[in-house]
Amino acid sequence: GDSVTQMEGPVTLSEEAFLTINCTYTATGYPSLFWYVQYPGEGLQLLLKATKADDKGSNKGFEATYRKETTSFHLEKGSVQVSDSAVYFCALIYSGGSNYKLTFGKGTLLTVNP
Amino acid sequence: DADVTQTPRNRITKTGKRIMLECSQTKGHDRMYWYRQDPGLGLRLIYYSFDVKDINKGEISDGYSVSRQAQAKFSLSLESAIPNQTALYFCATSDPDRWEQYFGPGTRLTVT
Repeated sequence: GDSVTQMEGPVTLSEEAFLTINCTYTATGYPSLFWYVQYPGEGLQLLLKATKADDKGSNKGFEATYRKETTSFHLEKGSVQVSDSAVYFCALIYSGGSNYKLTFGKGTLLTVNP
Repeated sequence: DADVTQTPRNRITKTGKRIMLECSQTKGHDRMYWYRQDPGLGLRLIYYSFDVKDINKGEISDGYSVSRQAQAKFSLSLESAIPNQTALYFCATSDPDRWEQYFGPGTRLTVT
């Protein structure tokens, strides 16, 4: 079945450091890929998405590129801020058949220190 | 106002009690979902509903039931709560033409 593997945390960085959170996936079809972010005490919010190979999703300084050849969707940000401290989830939806089920990775906790 | 609301936000209950978690949405979406989040396990789908007359089991439906009272309301019930149902529960909605899901703020449930 479909699955998402993301790097285990926690990840602790200093403000203005470069961030990479790795995400790889296994899917039988051609999934759409997402990064969701969960700030403390809140629900998940969509951060960015990509729906086909080589698409780049971007939002709030974060970027991720859909790499079909490596089945990856790594999240990057050039300069993190304290306000980026949150849990980040990589997810996919299988775009064939029943396109309802989001499959999530286990989440990566990011803490950014001033 | 939030598009997806959940009540209660926090609940402590005892083993064997029946409890209902409620979700309401103002996004006008037909599709609604219930997930549970456990540390280190990500989110797992409990039930989902594509419209008022359509209810489906997710990955981990045992011990749970749901009711779709209207397009905007989707409730999750624990008929007889047990301690391993202690978790953070999220409701979500989506539009069938778009794949993003919109999440409520969550209900933190503790079963003692």
